[in-house]
Amino acid sequence: ETGVTQSPTHLIKTRGQQVTLRCSSQSGHNTVSWYQQALGQGPQFIFQYYREEENGRGNFPPRFSGLQFPNYSSELNVNALELDDSALYLCASSSDGHYGYTFGSGTRLTVV
Amino acid sequence: DQQVKQNSPSLSVQEGRISILNCDYTNSMFDYFLWYKKYPAEGPTFLISISSIKDKNEDGRFTVFLNKSAKHLSLHIVPSQPGDSAVYFCAATQGAQKLVFGQGTRLTINP
Repeated sequence: ETGVTQSPTHLIKTRGQQVTLRCSSQSGHNTVSWYQQALGQGPQFIFQYYREEENGRGNFPPRFSGLQFPNYSSELNVNALELDDSALYLCASSSDGHYGYTFGSGTRLTVV
Repeated sequence: DQQVKQNSPSLSVQEGRISILNCDYTNSMFDYFLWYKKYPAEGPTFLISISSIKDKNEDGRFTVFLNKSAKHLSLHIVPSQPGDSAVYFCAATQGAQKLVFGQGTRLTINP
């Protein structure tokens, strides 16, 4: 079975720009969560999607938004990028109600 | 509000000895706890987990202990091997919703 894949692996954007990160969930998983990991910190929950609906959100502003598609893949969109948005963005997939979370390798976003 | 804390940023252990990584939490509603291992440029990899109804779970060289009264869990690795050198994250969840992570502990195994 395929794991979680994320694209791109690295990205450099300018402050004020918009960015879209993509995630393909593991086969059989219907839930996707996004996390932001700043340097030297643990991952912080951004939001979760289940059956194309947002199913929980962390303490992130509305300029962080997402989508989940019928094939359970997902996008994370960030508008009006700020320097502090520079981080590793991780996608994790799971099956609803189950504790087995599988993480992708992440997208390293640098905002300059 | 840091609900999950790993108070040791780093730990150095000699190869073959026991590594003990610690984690404290504040939310008594957490019902499941997980340990992840992370190498640079990779995502976290699941290591071992424990339900809140248990106090110990063992998988090969890895054992997780949960002390609910103290809101404390620990990961024991024995014997420690060079390939165990990585950053270890403790995480907790309630009802299989979001994972709440600690800050991580960098484990270095010395030959």
